[in-house]
Amino acid sequence: AQSVTQLGSHVSVSEGALVLLRCNYSSSVPPYLFWYVQYPNQGLQLLLKYTTGATLVKGINGFEAEFKKSETSFHLTKPSAHMSDAAEYFCAVTLYSSASKIIFGSGTRLSIRP
Amino acid sequence: EAQVTQNPRYLITVTGKKLTVTCSQNMNHEYMSWYRQDPGLGLRQIYYSMNVEVTDKGDVPEGYKVSRKEKRNFPLILESPSPNQTSLYFCASSLSPGNTEAFFGQGTRLTVV
Repeated sequence: AQSVTQLGSHVSVSEGALVLLRCNYSSSVPPYLFWYVQYPNQGLQLLLKYTTGATLVKGINGFEAEFKKSETSFHLTKPSAHMSDAAEYFCAVTLYSSASKIIFGSGTRLSIRP
Repeated sequence: EAQVTQNPRYLITVTGKKLTVTCSQNMNHEYMSWYRQDPGLGLRQIYYSMNVEVTDKGDVPEGYKVSRKEKRNFPLILESPSPNQTSLYFCASSLSPGNTEAFFGQGTRLTVV
């Protein structure tokens, strides 16, 4: 069965510092991978996704993620944090073969210190 | 504007009183689903629908019902709500459940007392 693990339920960084949010998945076949962001009192919106092709994926707001099959990881990074990046971030996967649902990680809350 | 609309945004109800949370999308998406979000658990799928009149259980379907009579609407029904159904609920739609973006509603915060 596929699953998604996000390391760290809460990450705090200083404004201007590197943001690194970790995501590992377990799947017997290569999955589709997503990062979603949830701002306070809002629904989720897509940051970026990996389906096929280039393993380094660029998303909105300066975020990017790299699919590493050997490490079964899809970590999210941003070189320089901004106060507006404070939100909850969810990693998610679906499978090529039976993509009847998205499996979400438990989420990581990102706080930005001035 | 492409959107998924849920109503109501906030609801406080009493145990056992039937309620319906509506969800409507204007993108002609075939796939729709309901999730509940609880602290530390992320989003868990309640029900999903691949198309009109086609629905199936997700991971936590107990105590919920859905229907898909029209492509755009996918209401969530709680026939006899209980306090353990207090949660934040999201409706989502997408072209397909696989490699395409899911669009989420704003959420419905339900409290059952």
